[in-house]
Amino acid sequence: DTGVSQDPRHKITKRGQNVTFRCDPISEHNRLYWYRQTLGQGPEFLTYFQNEAQLEKSRLLSDRFSAERPKGSFSTLEIQRTEQGDSAMYLCASSLGMEREQFFGPGTRLTVL
Amino acid sequence: EDQVTQSPEALRLQEGESSSLNCSYTVSGLRGLFWYRQDPGKGPEFLFTLYSAGEEKEKERLKATLTKKESFLHITAPKPEDSATYLCAVRRTQGGSEKLVFGKGTKLTVNP
Repeated sequence: DTGVSQDPRHKITKRGQNVTFRCDPISEHNRLYWYRQTLGQGPEFLTYFQNEAQLEKSRLLSDRFSAERPKGSFSTLEIQRTEQGDSAMYLCASSLGMEREQFFGPGTRLTVL
Repeated sequence: EDQVTQSPEALRLQEGESSSLNCSYTVSGLRGLFWYRQDPGKGPEFLFTLYSAGEEKEKERLKATLTKKESFLHITAPKPEDSATYLCAVRRTQGGSEKLVFGKGTKLTVNP
C-alpha cells in the first residue's frame, strides 16, 4: 500500500495525559498537512510542512499542540495536557507540491475521557 | 474570511435516481476547488479538482462543474455503493496559503 498511513488508528486517553500521533506520507510527496475533524463537520486545517519546514499554523493550534517533521519524512503531532475538547479525528494528508491535490490518510480517532 | 457552504446537508435517493449536490463558496482568489468522498470512520478520498469557471470533470457516475460562485456534483443513476459523505473544499491565492477550507459535507444515502 503506497498511500498515507497513520498510527495509531484509535487512541483513548485520560484528561491531562500527553498523546503523540504519527503520519507517514506518500513517499515522493514533499508537503504534509494535519487537519482535525469533529462529528458532522468538515476537516479543519491545523498546520503544514514543506519538507522539514513548518510553513503555516492555524489559530486552532494552541500551545498544547506541537508538530514536527524531522528530515522531511514522517511527521508527529503531539498534544500535551489533553482536554475533552480535543476528542476528534486527526487527519494527515500529503501532496506532491503546490497546486496539487492532497491525499488523506485513514485518520487517528482520539477520545479523551 | 473564506466560506464554503454545502447543500443539502443530507440527501436520500433511490437507486437510479439522479441528483446534484451544491457547494457555494466565498474566497479571495480561488486556486482550486476540490471534491472528496468520505466513508464513515475513514479519511477523505480525492475525487476532483476544478480550477476555473466552466470547467467540468467526470468519473464514472460523478460529474463536477464549476461557476464563479458555486460547484455542483452531479450523480447519474447512483448505486448503493455511492452512499457516503461528499465534501467540498477550496484553496485560495491570498498569502500563499496551501490550506484547504472545507464545507460540512452532504451525506448521501442511496437505497436499493
